Amino acid sequence: DQQVKQNSPSLSVQEGRISILNCDYTNSMFDYFLWYKKYPAEGPTFLISISSIKDKNEDGRFTVFLNKSAKHLSLHIVPSQPGDSAVYFCAASALYNNDMRFGAGTRLTVKP
Amino acid sequence: GAGVSQSPRYKVAKRGQDVALRCDPISGHVSLFWYQQALGQGPEFLTYFQNEAQLDKSGLPSDRFFAERPEGSVSTLKIQRTQQEDSAVYLCASSQRADNSPLHFGNGTRLTVT
Repeated sequence: DQQVKQNSPSLSVQEGRISILNCDYTNSMFDYFLWYKKYPAEGPTFLISISSIKDKNEDGRFTVFLNKSAKHLSLHIVPSQPGDSAVYFCAASALYNNDMRFGAGTRLTVKP
Repeated sequence: GAGVSQSPRYKVAKRGQDVALRCDPISGHVSLFWYQQALGQGPEFLTYFQNEAQLDKSGLPSDRFFAERPEGSVSTLKIQRTQQEDSAVYLCASSQRADNSPLHFGNGTRLTVT
């Protein structure tokens, strides 16, 4: 069962513009959400997280927005840089169960 | 090193062989997870340890899969009588606390069953 969905397998943006990656979830028990970044032949690396008590969390060029009523979150990267080119995974977990569920990933390409 | 270490990086097994995949988590990390990642997919949960206790093994696809963490540190994922559908990258991750906190992943073991 796909509890976390990333419906866009790929996204291409120009350097300097905004990248917006989207994620939807179905399990209303999820209350902790994360974005991971993955380069080829490496494991996913934690990027940014948000708990369900917030609707926005910002860290430098990266901002995560959470819309609990829509069960939707998004990652904004601005300005996008070529080094941001990677696969981005959305993940979610619930306090009652510490296993994290991942989306299928979105491959971001930032063109110079 | 300070990160999660997995070995081997690559493993080729003939169908029917048993394999053992090793994970060295970050020192002191309480929680340890195993995930399976098929090509083009996100990591799929297999099992979770808190210290030496295996608290959740609901993601293990069959009784051919077995994981252990006997001293609450190093973990081994064992797959018996490997099948072609077991071919995937197996990721290990650890986290500092038992409650929600970011997972730190190793680089994975790519298993190919021929």
